[in-house]
Amino acid sequence: GNSVTQMEGPVTLSEEAFLTINCTYTATGYPSLFWYVQYPGEGLQLLLKATKADDKGSNKGFEATYRKETTSFHLEKGSVQVSDSAVYFCALSDQDAGTYKYIFGTGTRLKVLA
Amino acid sequence: DGGITQSPKYLFRKEGQNVTLSCEQNLNHDAMYWYRQDPGQGLRLIYYSQIVNDFQKGDIAEGYSVSREKKESFPLTVTSAQKNPTAFYLCASSGINYGYTFGSGTRLTIV
Repeated sequence: GNSVTQMEGPVTLSEEAFLTINCTYTATGYPSLFWYVQYPGEGLQLLLKATKADDKGSNKGFEATYRKETTSFHLEKGSVQVSDSAVYFCALSDQDAGTYKYIFGTGTRLKVLA
Repeated sequence: DGGITQSPKYLFRKEGQNVTLSCEQNLNHDAMYWYRQDPGQGLRLIYYSQIVNDFQKGDIAEGYSVSREKKESFPLTVTSAQKNPTAFYLCASSGINYGYTFGSGTRLTIV
């Protein structure tokens, strides 16, 4: 079945450091890929998405490129801020399944120190 | 503004009591979902509904029940059969062009 694997956290960085959170997937068909962010005590918010191979999603300085050859969708940011501290979830939606149901990774907690 | 509303934000119940969590959306989305999140854990799907008057079990449906009588509403009942109900519950909805919108969650504590 379809699955998403994220690097385990927590990831602890100093402010202005470079961030990479790895995400790889297994899927049949042609999934769309997403990154969601969850701040403490809140629901998840869509951060960025990519709907086909080689697409790059970007938002708020975060970027991720849909790599079909490596089945990856790694999240990157050039310079993190304390306000980026949150849990980040990678997710996929398999359009061939004819369903809206997503599959989420287990989440990676990011802590940014001032 | 369109969105999805969960209420209440915090809920305390005694062991053995049923409790219903509310989820309402005004996004005109067809599909709605309930997830459970435990501390430090990912999301686990409880139930989902793609159309009014129809719903399917997710990965951890035992001890939970839902209804979908209106497009806008998808309440979740945590029954006394759920062995460990203390958790953070998230409701979400999605439309034909996909993209989940999440509510802000309900933290349920059994005392």
